[in-house]
Amino acid sequence: QQQVKQSPQSLIVQKGGISIINCAYENTAFDYFPWYQQFPGKGPALLIAIRPDVSEKKEGRFTISFNKSAKQFSLHIMDSQPGDSATYFCAASKRETSGSRLTFGEGTQLTVNP
Amino acid sequence: AAGVIQSPRHLIKEKRETATLKCYPIPRHDTVYWYQQGPGQDPQFLISFYEKMQSDKGSIPDRFSAQQFSDYHSELNMSSLELGDSALYFCASRAPWGGGTDTQYFGPGTRLTVL
Repeated sequence: QQQVKQSPQSLIVQKGGISIINCAYENTAFDYFPWYQQFPGKGPALLIAIRPDVSEKKEGRFTISFNKSAKQFSLHIMDSQPGDSATYFCAASKRETSGSRLTFGEGTQLTVNP
Repeated sequence: AAGVIQSPRHLIKEKRETATLKCYPIPRHDTVYWYQQGPGQDPQFLISFYEKMQSDKGSIPDRFSAQQFSDYHSELNMSSLELGDSALYFCASRAPWGGGTDTQYFGPGTRLTVL
């Protein structure tokens, strides 16, 4: 049972366009929601993260929108570039002193055409 | 900046053999996580350690064991390897709790192939 559901599975956008990836979660105990970018054969790298007390967070071309009541959050990539072509994973965890596992969505393979 | 180090980067084993994967966290990080990622899949949590004690356990087979040592590096031991164990294995580390630090920093991974 996938606790974090991600869509779409794949996404093709043109250079300069906006890429939007959506995630929904089940567990209301989750209180930390990061997005990771992964290139083939590489480890996931943190892009941006948000906590549920904030509805939106922006860092450069990347924005997370968070809807606590709907238990949904999304990643917007503005002015998408070919170098953004990668797999994107949303994730969720519960903030704890001893560290909490990340539960990942299924991933979105983004292709940005030049 | 220092990153998470994993060794070896690639490992080829036969069925029923044993493998040991090593992880060296970012200096001063006290929490280590292990994840397994199959082809085209999302990373699945295996096990984690906080201050050298097991802190959480996920879908880790009984054939696998892990520990965190006094210098905070961690090893994942895998015995009786099966074809289905072929995957990328990632280690991640987190800085000490405080200041709202939650970020898990991932290593480059170990690609295990079981023949």
